[in-house]
Amino acid sequence: DAGVTQSPTHLIKTRGQHVTLRCSPISGHKSVSWYQQVLGQGPQFIFQYYEKEERGRGNFPDRFSARQFPNYSSELNVNALLLGDSALYLCASSLARVGTEAFFGQGTRLTVV
Amino acid sequence: SQKIEQNSEALNIQEGKTATLTCNYTNYSPAYLQWYRQDPGRGPVFLLLIRENEKEKRKERLKVTFDTTLKQSLFHITASQPADSATYLCSEGAAGNKLTFGGGTRVLVKP
Repeated sequence: DAGVTQSPTHLIKTRGQHVTLRCSPISGHKSVSWYQQVLGQGPQFIFQYYEKEERGRGNFPDRFSARQFPNYSSELNVNALLLGDSALYLCASSLARVGTEAFFGQGTRLTVV
Repeated sequence: SQKIEQNSEALNIQEGKTATLTCNYTNYSPAYLQWYRQDPGRGPVFLLLIRENEKEKRKERLKVTFDTTLKQSLFHITASQPADSATYLCSEGAAGNKLTFGGGTRVLVKP
């Protein structure tokens, strides 16, 4: 079985640009969550989607948005990139049942210059 | 809001010894705590989940405890091996989504 896949693996963007990151969950998982991980810190929750609806949002500006498609894949969009957006962006899928864990992708390393 | 705190200092340990990592929470007692392992440049990998009403959980050489009085979870790696070298993340979350993570503790096991 394929795990959670994310694309691209690495990305370099210029300040002010827009970026779209993509995630395909494990088959059968309807919940997708996005996290930002700055070097040396733990992952910070950005969004959760379940059945194509937003079910949770972390403390991130409106420049960050996401959506989930009918096949449960997801996109994270970031507008007007800042240097501080440079981070590893992680996608996780889960069954969203109590007592279950998250399965993470390998992440997208975004560098803003 | 809840904060999950882990020792940010790296833990250096000799092969064969037991590594003990601490996770403290600041606010309400989480219903579930989850522990993950993360290797450099990779996504976290799930290790263990413990419920609030469980005192201890084990999986092979790993053991996690949950003490609601101390607002703390301890994570133990017994008979540590160099392959156990990684960053270990503690998180609060019941269902594998909307997890709140601590900053992680890096473990280095020396042969």
